[in-house]
Amino acid sequence: AQTVTQSQPEMSVQEAETVTLSCTYDTSESDYYLFWYKQPPSRQMILVIRQEAYKQQNATENRFSVNFQKAAKSFSLKISDSQLGDAAMYFCAYRYPQGGSEKLVFGKGTKLTVNP
Amino acid sequence: ETGVTQTPRHLVMGMTNKKSLKCEQHLGHNAMYWYKQSAKKPLELMFVYSLEERVENNSVPSRFSPECPNSSHLFLHLHTLQPEDSALYLCASSQFFSGSWYNEQFFGPGTRLTVL
Repeated sequence: AQTVTQSQPEMSVQEAETVTLSCTYDTSESDYYLFWYKQPPSRQMILVIRQEAYKQQNATENRFSVNFQKAAKSFSLKISDSQLGDAAMYFCAYRYPQGGSEKLVFGKGTKLTVNP
Repeated sequence: ETGVTQTPRHLVMGMTNKKSLKCEQHLGHNAMYWYKQSAKKPLELMFVYSLEERVENNSVPSRFSPECPNSSHLFLHLHTLQPEDSALYLCASSQFFSGSWYNEQFFGPGTRLTVL
């Protein structure tokens, strides 16, 4: 069964510093996608960054980057120059195809606090 | 309206009530999803509709009944719920292409449901 594990229920970082959120997953699939979603206190879930499993290059979106280690099944998120608006729940998610649609499996989330 | 909207945002109901949650997507997508988000648990996929046909039902109790009258609207009909059904219910949509299942799910803000 596909599972996603986020081992850090809570993390904190000082404004302008860098923080890394960890994620590991378990799968027997070879083609899949990985995502980090952010859920601010307003509750609207938004996509932060995505990674295709077949790509060796780590994805980057402005201050957000990932460290994708396929063999280790690890997919960590690095937030550089942290801002107060980065405070949110962060969910790691794994997507794989199933039948006529696809399934998205989420981790339990990491609550990130940004201290001024 | 843009993106994915959900109504109501908050709902309190008794165990004998019947209510419905509504989701509408304004993105031209052809797949819609219901998720349940409980405290301290990963997001749980409940139902998936692709091209208005239900393609996924994750062993959800029959007291939850989904309906997808068209590709823009998704309902979740609730009846005789239990207190443990209290949670945040998230709707999402995506565009599914035959032979290419890569697509991003866009989430609504959710309905906070409390069952007394």
